[in-house]
Amino acid sequence: EIVMTQSPATLSVSPGERATLSCRASESVSSNLAWYQQKPGQPPRLLIYGASTRATGIPARFSGSGSGTEFTLTISSLQSEDSAVYYCQQYGETFGQGTKVEIK
Amino acid sequence: QVQLQESGPGLVKPSETLSLTCTVSGYFISSGYYWGWIRQPPGKGLEWIASIYQSGNTYYNPSLKSRVTISVDKSRNHFSLKLSSVTAADTAVYYCARVDALTGYPFDYWGQGKLVTVSS
Repeated sequence: EIVMTQSPATLSVSPGERATLSCRASESVSSNLAWYQQKPGQPPRLLIYGASTRATGIPARFSGSGSGTEFTLTISSLQSEDSAVYYCQQYGETFGQGTKVEIK
Repeated sequence: QVQLQESGPGLVKPSETLSLTCTVSGYFISSGYYWGWIRQPPGKGLEWIASIYQSGNTYYNPSLKSRVTISVDKSRNHFSLKLSSVTAADTAVYYCARVDALTGYPFDYWGQGKLVTVSS
Protein backbone atom coordinates (compact mmCIF):
# COMPACT_ATOMS: atom_id res chain seq x y z
CA GLU A 1 0.00 0.00 0.00
CA ILE A 2 1.33 3.41 -0.97
CA VAL A 3 1.69 5.82 1.97
CA MET A 4 1.27 9.55 1.40
CA THR A 5 3.04 11.90 3.82
CA GLN A 6 2.26 15.61 3.94
CA SER A 7 4.29 18.37 5.54
CA PRO A 8 4.06 20.51 7.48
CA ALA A 9 1.05 19.56 9.59
CA THR A 10 0.20 23.22 10.08
CA LEU A 11 1.30 26.25 8.09
CA SER A 12 0.74 29.82 9.26
CA VAL A 13 1.11 32.42 6.50
CA SER A 14 0.38 36.14 6.27
CA PRO A 15 -2.13 37.38 3.68
CA GLY A 16 -0.43 37.99 0.34
CA GLU A 17 2.48 35.71 1.16
CA ARG A 18 3.31 32.41 -0.54
CA ALA A 19 2.30 29.07 0.97
CA THR A 20 4.16 25.90 -0.01
CA LEU A 21 2.75 22.50 0.92
CA SER A 22 4.54 19.20 0.36
CA CYS A 23 3.34 15.67 -0.31
CA ARG A 24 5.58 12.62 -0.56
CA ALA A 25 4.60 9.16 -1.82
CA SER A 26 6.28 6.01 -0.50
CA GLU A 27 6.68 4.84 -4.12
CA SER A 28 6.19 6.42 -7.51
CA VAL A 29 2.67 7.46 -8.46
CA SER A 30 3.84 9.09 -11.70
CA SER A 31 1.64 12.18 -12.13
CA ASN A 32 -1.49 10.58 -10.70
CA LEU A 33 -1.71 13.00 -7.80
CA ALA A 34 -4.59 15.25 -6.78
CA TRP A 35 -4.89 18.06 -4.26
CA TYR A 36 -8.09 18.96 -2.39
CA GLN A 37 -9.15 21.85 -0.18
CA GLN A 38 -11.54 21.23 2.70
CA LYS A 39 -13.20 23.88 4.84
CA PRO A 40 -15.09 23.05 8.05
CA GLY A 41 -18.46 21.42 7.48
CA GLN A 42 -17.89 21.07 3.74
CA PRO A 43 -16.86 18.21 1.47
CA PRO A 44 -13.40 18.41 -0.08
CA ARG A 45 -13.06 20.42 -3.28
CA LEU A 46 -10.77 19.27 -6.08
CA LEU A 47 -8.04 21.85 -6.73
CA ILE A 48 -5.39 20.08 -8.81
CA TYR A 49 -5.32 16.80 -10.75
CA GLY A 50 -2.60 15.14 -12.76
CA ALA A 51 -0.18 16.78 -10.31
CA SER A 52 -0.32 20.17 -12.04
CA THR A 53 -3.64 20.80 -13.79
CA ARG A 54 -6.07 23.16 -12.09
CA ALA A 55 -9.64 21.92 -11.83
CA THR A 56 -12.47 23.97 -13.30
CA GLY A 57 -12.98 27.29 -11.55
CA ILE A 58 -9.84 27.11 -9.40
CA PRO A 59 -8.00 30.46 -9.14
CA ALA A 60 -4.62 30.78 -10.81
CA ARG A 61 -2.91 31.43 -7.47
CA PHE A 62 -3.11 27.67 -6.85
CA SER A 63 -0.48 25.62 -8.65
CA GLY A 64 0.82 22.08 -8.38
CA SER A 65 4.11 20.55 -9.38
CA GLY A 66 6.10 17.35 -9.08
CA SER A 67 6.05 13.77 -10.30
CA GLY A 68 7.07 10.37 -9.07
CA THR A 69 7.28 10.67 -5.27
CA GLU A 70 7.63 14.40 -4.53
CA PHE A 71 4.82 16.91 -5.03
CA THR A 72 4.16 20.52 -4.10
CA LEU A 73 1.05 22.67 -3.87
CA THR A 74 1.78 26.38 -3.97
CA ILE A 75 -0.62 29.19 -3.13
CA SER A 76 1.16 32.18 -4.63
CA SER A 77 -0.58 34.97 -2.71
CA LEU A 78 -2.61 33.72 0.23
CA GLN A 79 -6.12 35.07 0.62
CA SER A 80 -8.22 34.89 3.79
CA GLU A 81 -10.60 32.43 2.10
CA ASP A 82 -7.71 29.99 1.58
CA SER A 83 -7.74 29.06 5.27
CA ALA A 84 -8.51 25.33 5.12
CA VAL A 85 -7.06 21.83 5.32
CA TYR A 86 -5.36 20.60 2.16
CA TYR A 87 -5.05 16.93 1.24
CA CYS A 88 -3.10 15.12 -1.43
CA GLN A 89 -4.29 11.82 -2.89
CA GLN A 90 -2.71 9.27 -5.20
CA TYR A 91 -4.43 7.30 -7.96
CA GLY A 92 -7.87 7.82 -6.45
CA GLU A 93 -6.86 5.90 -3.35
CA THR A 94 -4.62 6.86 -0.43
CA PHE A 95 -4.87 10.35 1.04
CA GLY A 96 -2.20 12.20 2.94
CA GLN A 97 -2.98 13.22 6.50
CA GLY A 98 -3.55 16.86 5.56
CA THR A 99 -1.91 20.26 6.04
CA LYS A 100 -3.85 22.94 7.87
CA VAL A 101 -3.24 26.41 6.42
CA GLU A 102 -3.86 29.25 8.82
CA ILE A 103 -3.88 32.97 8.16
CA LYS A 104 -1.31 34.72 10.34
CA GLN B 1 -24.49 19.85 -13.33
CA VAL B 2 -23.46 16.59 -11.68
CA GLN B 3 -24.83 16.18 -8.16
CA LEU B 4 -24.44 13.35 -5.67
CA GLN B 5 -26.51 12.75 -2.53
CA GLU B 6 -25.82 10.22 0.21
CA SER B 7 -28.71 8.59 2.05
CA GLY B 8 -29.16 5.95 4.71
CA PRO B 9 -29.43 5.51 8.48
CA GLY B 10 -27.52 7.97 10.62
CA LEU B 11 -27.26 5.54 13.54
CA VAL B 12 -26.06 1.94 13.36
CA LYS B 13 -25.60 -0.49 16.24
CA PRO B 14 -22.23 -2.15 16.87
CA SER B 15 -21.72 -5.44 14.98
CA GLU B 16 -24.45 -4.55 12.47
CA THR B 17 -24.08 -3.55 8.82
CA LEU B 18 -23.87 0.05 7.68
CA SER B 19 -25.70 0.64 4.39
CA LEU B 20 -25.54 3.83 2.35
CA THR B 21 -26.73 4.83 -1.11
CA CYS B 22 -25.46 7.59 -3.35
CA THR B 23 -27.96 8.93 -5.85
CA VAL B 24 -26.47 10.66 -8.87
CA SER B 25 -28.26 13.38 -10.83
CA GLY B 26 -27.14 15.30 -13.89
CA TYR B 27 -25.18 12.33 -15.24
CA PHE B 28 -25.96 8.73 -16.13
CA ILE B 29 -23.75 6.28 -14.25
CA SER B 30 -23.95 3.96 -17.26
CA SER B 31 -22.16 6.59 -19.38
CA GLY B 32 -18.85 5.92 -17.68
CA TYR B 33 -16.56 7.11 -14.88
CA TYR B 34 -15.76 5.37 -11.65
CA TRP B 35 -17.72 6.07 -8.47
CA GLY B 36 -16.34 5.95 -4.97
CA TRP B 37 -16.83 6.18 -1.22
CA ILE B 38 -14.62 8.07 1.21
CA ARG B 39 -15.04 8.59 4.95
CA GLN B 40 -13.81 11.06 7.54
CA PRO B 41 -13.98 10.35 11.29
CA PRO B 42 -14.82 13.43 13.36
CA GLY B 43 -11.83 15.76 13.50
CA LYS B 44 -9.64 13.46 11.41
CA GLY B 45 -8.48 13.03 7.82
CA LEU B 46 -9.93 11.41 4.72
CA GLU B 47 -9.89 7.66 4.08
CA TRP B 48 -10.72 6.10 0.71
CA ILE B 49 -13.03 3.10 1.14
CA ALA B 50 -13.85 1.68 -2.29
CA SER B 51 -14.55 2.51 -5.94
CA ILE B 52 -16.58 0.89 -8.70
CA TYR B 53 -16.75 1.24 -12.47
CA GLN B 54 -20.09 1.32 -14.24
CA SER B 55 -19.32 -2.16 -15.57
CA GLY B 56 -19.15 -3.45 -12.01
CA ASN B 57 -15.37 -3.71 -11.58
CA THR B 58 -14.59 -2.98 -7.94
CA TYR B 59 -11.57 -1.68 -6.02
CA TYR B 60 -11.24 -1.79 -2.24
CA ASN B 61 -9.02 -0.29 0.44
CA PRO B 62 -7.05 -3.34 1.64
CA SER B 63 -7.58 -2.39 5.28
CA LEU B 64 -11.38 -2.52 4.88
CA LYS B 65 -11.77 -5.05 2.07
CA SER B 66 -12.98 -7.91 4.24
CA ARG B 67 -15.95 -5.87 5.48
CA VAL B 68 -16.89 -3.73 2.48
CA THR B 69 -19.13 -4.24 -0.53
CA ILE B 70 -19.69 -1.60 -3.18
CA SER B 71 -22.30 -2.05 -5.88
CA VAL B 72 -23.96 -0.09 -8.66
CA ASP B 73 -27.57 0.01 -9.86
CA LYS B 74 -27.58 1.68 -13.25
CA SER B 75 -31.37 1.46 -13.59
CA ARG B 76 -31.77 3.65 -10.50
CA ASN B 77 -28.64 5.71 -11.25
CA HIS B 78 -27.18 5.08 -7.84
CA PHE B 79 -24.41 3.14 -6.18
CA SER B 80 -24.20 1.71 -2.69
CA LEU B 81 -21.89 0.87 0.18
CA LYS B 82 -22.20 -1.86 2.77
CA LEU B 83 -19.80 -2.08 5.72
CA SER B 84 -20.30 -5.06 7.99
CA SER B 85 -19.45 -5.70 11.64
CA VAL B 86 -19.19 -2.02 12.47
CA THR B 87 -17.62 -0.64 15.64
CA ALA B 88 -17.32 2.83 17.12
CA ALA B 89 -14.21 3.31 14.97
CA ASP B 90 -16.46 3.34 11.90
CA THR B 91 -18.24 6.48 13.11
CA ALA B 92 -17.55 9.06 10.40
CA VAL B 93 -18.93 11.33 7.73
CA TYR B 94 -19.29 9.17 4.63
CA TYR B 95 -18.91 10.87 1.25
CA CYS B 96 -19.66 9.57 -2.20
CA ALA B 97 -17.85 10.99 -5.21
CA ARG B 98 -17.24 10.64 -8.93
CA VAL B 99 -13.81 9.46 -10.06
CA ASP B 100 -12.27 10.61 -13.34
CA ALA B 101 -10.10 7.75 -14.57
CA LEU B 102 -8.96 9.70 -17.62
CA THR B 103 -7.09 12.31 -15.55
CA GLY B 104 -5.41 10.24 -12.86
CA TYR B 105 -8.45 9.21 -10.82
CA PRO B 106 -9.24 12.43 -8.93
CA PHE B 107 -12.59 12.74 -7.18
CA ASP B 108 -14.10 15.65 -9.12
CA TYR B 109 -17.67 15.76 -7.76
CA TRP B 110 -18.61 15.06 -4.14
CA GLY B 111 -21.78 14.63 -2.14
CA GLN B 112 -22.35 16.73 0.96
CA GLY B 113 -21.65 13.78 3.24
CA LYS B 114 -23.67 11.66 5.64
CA LEU B 115 -22.74 11.39 9.31
CA VAL B 116 -23.06 7.82 10.51
CA THR B 117 -22.71 7.13 14.21
CA VAL B 118 -22.09 3.63 15.52
CA SER B 119 -23.61 3.31 18.98
CA SER B 120 -25.95 1.07 20.90
